[in-house]
This record gives sequence, C-alpha cells and structure tokens, in this order.
Amino acid sequence: KAGVTQTPRYLIKTRGQQVTLSCSPISGHRSVSWYQQTPGQGLQFLFEYFSETQRNKGNFPGRFSGRQFSNSRSEMNVSTLELGDSALYLCASILGTGSDTQYFGPGTRLTVL
Amino acid sequence: QKEVEQNSGPLSVPEGAIASLNCTYSDRGSQSFFWYRQYSGKSPELIMFIYSNGDKEDGRFTAQLNKASQYVSLLIRDSQPSDSATYLCAVTGAGGTSYGKLTFGQGTILTVHP
Repeated sequence: KAGVTQTPRYLIKTRGQQVTLSCSPISGHRSVSWYQQTPGQGLQFLFEYFSETQRNKGNFPGRFSGRQFSNSRSEMNVSTLELGDSALYLCASILGTGSDTQYFGPGTRLTVL
Repeated sequence: QKEVEQNSGPLSVPEGAIASLNCTYSDRGSQSFFWYRQYSGKSPELIMFIYSNGDKEDGRFTAQLNKASQYVSLLIRDSQPSDSATYLCAVTGAGGTSYGKLTFGQGTILTVHP
C-alpha cells in the first residue's frame, strides 16, 4: 500500500508570492490534516478536510487556505508569502471513520526569501 | 500552561538502557494519545497510540496512560543508537470539534550513546 505523498518536496519562493502544496493520502483514507512545523513553534495544526469539506481549522491567518478533491487529494495554498512562513509543511492521512490515527507524509520544505 | 508538555531534554542514555519519555496534557476531555519519532530532516513516524488507561506494549516500546493524572509516557527498553531522535507526544481533543487536530508537545531529543 502506497504511503502519503507530498509534492513538491522543496520550494523556494520570495516574499509576496503565493504557493500551492499538494498531498495524496493513503489509498482508502478520506481525511487529510495539514500542519506547519518550525523550530520555534513546533508542530501546529492548520486545517483538516474530510470528503471535500473543511471540518476544523487552526489559528492561522486567512492567507492559509486549502481544499480537498473527490479523490481525497488535498492542496493547501499560502498567499502573500512572508519570511515567517518558511517551514516544513506536513500532510497527515487519516482513515476518516472509526480511527483518528494520523500518518504523515514526507513534508514540503518551504523557504521564503 | 501549554496544552501538551514533554519532559525537557535532551535525554541521553547508554545503549541497552531504558529511556523514559513523559508527557502531560491539559484537556481532560482528550481521548487519543500518540507517540511519534522524528529523525532530523524527516517527518514524524508513528510509534504507538493508546486510548485506555494502563499499559500498551509493542516490541521494545511501552506506552502508559493515566487519564486521572493527565499523563502519558513512553518507555523504550534496550535502547539502541538508532533510537536517537526527537520524540513527539500528540493528543486529540474532546470529540466533536477536534476533527483531525493533533496537539503536539515540543518534543524530547533522545540520544542513545554506545
């Protein structure tokens, strides 16, 4: 069974630009959560999607958004990038029904210059 | 008070010893508890999950949960140098509004020296 895939793995952007990150969950999993990991703040929850609906959202500004497609693949978008958005962005795959165990993808390392 | 707190590290143990990692949480309604291992430059890897009070063993790893004390721990027996990593404690909230949200501790860096 294939694991969680995230693309791209590395990204370099400049301030003010926008970026889109992609996540494909484990086959059969219907829920995806996104996290931001930085040395100072650790792992912080961004949002969760289930069956194309956002069910939960963390305390991040509106510049951070996401969506989920009918095949459970998810994307997150960050607009008007700031230096502080440099982080490892992690996607977690969740079965979605009857289990809340989360399996993380390899992450996307975003650097904002 | 942080929502999830882990014992401050770094923790250094000799090869073959028992490593003990501790975590406390503030939300009394938390239902699920996880331990992840994260190697430098990699993503978190699930080691154990526990839902009920008591002990849960998986190979060299034992998770212990005490909901009354809001405390969860991870014991690693016969520690190996390959166990050297950051260990993250993660907790879900009380049902309903906590969909897909894990709250993480800051992590404990474990070093196992030969």
